[in-house]
Amino acid sequence: QVQLVQSGAEVKKPGASVKVSCKASGYSFTNYGISWVRQAPGQGLEWMGWISAYNGNTNYVQKFQGRVTMTTDTSTSTAYLELRSLRSDDTAVYYCGRDRVTSWYYFDFWGQGTLVTVSS
Amino acid sequence: EIVLTQSPGTLSLSPGERATLSCRASQSVSNNYLAWYQQKPGQAPRLLIYGASIRATGIPDGFSGSGSGTDFTLTISRLEPEDFAVYYCQQYGSSLTFGGGTKVEIK
Repeated sequence: QVQLVQSGAEVKKPGASVKVSCKASGYSFTNYGISWVRQAPGQGLEWMGWISAYNGNTNYVQKFQGRVTMTTDTSTSTAYLELRSLRSDDTAVYYCGRDRVTSWYYFDFWGQGTLVTVSS
Repeated sequence: EIVLTQSPGTLSLSPGERATLSCRASQSVSNNYLAWYQQKPGQAPRLLIYGASIRATGIPDGFSGSGSGTDFTLTISRLEPEDFAVYYCQQYGSSLTFGGGTKVEIK
């Protein structure tokens, strides 16, 4: 069965970086892409960007350009989200979602979420 | 950027009633690339509908999506206890954006 399992909760100080992982199983990793979505406490969903697990092509939402890097490790079927220069308003649950390999569409499977708390 | 406006913000209904949720786009969504998700507290969202009207795998036929252009609707024919949740629409026709959500609560 398809599963996306994310890394555990993180607490970071303002200005620090965080790297969240998303390990895929139950499907051919390189036949799909991964999108990252975040949700601030009590708020809605916000798309951050997409990466193709086939060739590493990425598309980042302009709001996060320069602060975000999405990568994949095909040897371990794992996707990563790195967010730098953290601010308090980056406090959110970060989700990975299985997407299409050529572009961003919709997400048929999701990880369980990783809570990132940014606090001094 | 396409802005999606969901209404109402909260829908108070009883089990067995019909729920009608609206998602309006600030401009036409190309190819009707519109999806709906259900999210329960403490859980990740679950895909219900894509392509405006195609049910995702395993989704009961009590959930249906309709609409085109700028106006889309999610209908839950008869609310079951497990259907009380927050519902989000998402468009993927031009970049990707989510609506603000509709909470379906027990009346």
